[in-house]
Amino acid sequence: EAGVAQSPRYKIIEKRQSVAFWCNPISGHATLYWYQQILGQGPKLLIQFQNNGVVDDSQLPKDRFSAERLKGVDSTLKIQPAKLEDSAVYLCASSPNRGQGNEKLFFGSGTQLSVL
Amino acid sequence: GEDVEQSLFLSVREGDSSVINCTYTDSSSTYLYWYKQEPGAGLQLLTYIFSNMDMKQDQRLTVLLNKKDKHLSLRIADTQTGDSAIYFCAENRDTGFQKLVFGTGTRLLVSP
Repeated sequence: EAGVAQSPRYKIIEKRQSVAFWCNPISGHATLYWYQQILGQGPKLLIQFQNNGVVDDSQLPKDRFSAERLKGVDSTLKIQPAKLEDSAVYLCASSPNRGQGNEKLFFGSGTQLSVL
Repeated sequence: GEDVEQSLFLSVREGDSSVINCTYTDSSSTYLYWYKQEPGAGLQLLTYIFSNMDMKQDQRLTVLLNKKDKHLSLRIADTQTGDSAIYFCAENRDTGFQKLVFGTGTRLLVSP
C-alpha cells in the first residue's frame, strides 16, 4: 500500500513570496490533515478535511494560508505572502475515518519550508 | 491548560528501560496515542490505548494510563539504539468530530 505522498521535499523562499505544497493521501482515506511543525515543537493542526469539506480550520491563519481538496482526494496548501515565522515542516496526514472514534493517522514525510 | 505536555529529553543506555511521560488535558478523550518521529520523517503510530483501560502491552511497549491525573506513559523495554527518535503523545478530543492534539515531544537518545 502506497503511503502519503508530499511534494516538494524542501522549499526555500524569501519573505512575502508565495509557496504551495501538495499532498496525495492513502487511497480511500476520507480524512486529510495539514499540520505545521515548528522546530522543537509538536505538530499543530492547520486544517482538517472530511472528503472535500472542511471540518476544522480554526488554527489556519486565513489571511495568508489557504487549502483545498477539490475532488476529495489530493490537496494543496498555499501560503501567500510568506512570513519568517512560517518556517516549519508542513506535514500531511490521512486517516480512513471508519467512524469508530479511533483516528489512526498516517503521515507523509513533510515539506520543510525555510523563509529567508 | 490547552497544551499536552511532555518532558523534552531522555537519555538511556542500550538495554535499559525507557519511560516517557505525558500529561494531557481533556478528560473526555477517548483514545490516547504514542507516535514516533525519526529524523527527516513523518510521524509513525506506535501504539494507542482506549480510555477505559489502564494498561496496554505490545511487545516491548507498555502504555500506562492514569485518567484521574490525566497522565500517560510509554515504557520501552530493552531499549535499542534504533529507538532513538522523538516520541509524541496525542489525545483524541471529540469536538463534534475527532481531533488529534499532539504533545511537545520527547527526544530519546539511546547510547551504546
